[in-house]
Amino acid sequence: DAKTTQPPSMDCAEGRAANLPCNHSTISGNEYVYWYRQIHSQGPQYIIHGLKNNETNEMASLIITEDRKSSTLILPHATLRDTAVYYCIVRFIQGAQKLVFGQGTRLTINP
Amino acid sequence: EPEVTQTPSHQVTQMGQEVILRCVPISNHLYFYWYRQILGQKVEFLVSFYNNEISEKSEIFDDQFSVERPDGSNFTLKIRSTKLEDSAMYFCASSEREGPYEQFFGPGTRLTVL
Repeated sequence: DAKTTQPPSMDCAEGRAANLPCNHSTISGNEYVYWYRQIHSQGPQYIIHGLKNNETNEMASLIITEDRKSSTLILPHATLRDTAVYYCIVRFIQGAQKLVFGQGTRLTINP
Repeated sequence: EPEVTQTPSHQVTQMGQEVILRCVPISNHLYFYWYRQILGQKVEFLVSFYNNEISEKSEIFDDQFSVERPDGSNFTLKIRSTKLEDSAMYFCASSEREGPYEQFFGPGTRLTVL
């Protein structure tokens, strides 16, 4: 699996958009970009995933650069409940592939 | 909304004892996983399971560990002889099928080995 690089921590004001970057320069053509988050010690929660097109769901938007070497997760209106560790994971699409978690970005939403 | 459930939420055991951690995956899911997270560290993959067989296992998943789907709903992780270093949060996850399908995680079981 391709390695990802994320900043260890970020802060964002409540109500503002939180933009979390991720570098995955060694990503291959059959690898998806996934984002999960972990609130305190709860189980990781799926947020969104994409291959090469930008994606949006009720939680977030995922912007993937044209060369696919980096991506940005956008939480459009961050709330205090979005305070969590956010993980960017690159994963092959074939088979029952495991998720390989890095250290992630600890996002703190400030009132 | 369907969810993965795990029991117990917290298990305390003595070193050398056997423990069984239980998970009920989402009902129509076919792929099952166990992960663990030692306090303050990364979430680590242990094992994946499909069609009553282990699909993949990590180096952590040695002979002390086993998994089973004893019936149509439960998925268990057994640790035969617990060690102090097995103390961690253990997360079960399931996915509907292979490919680009998200894994849904349970709330975890905190295992404390004394």
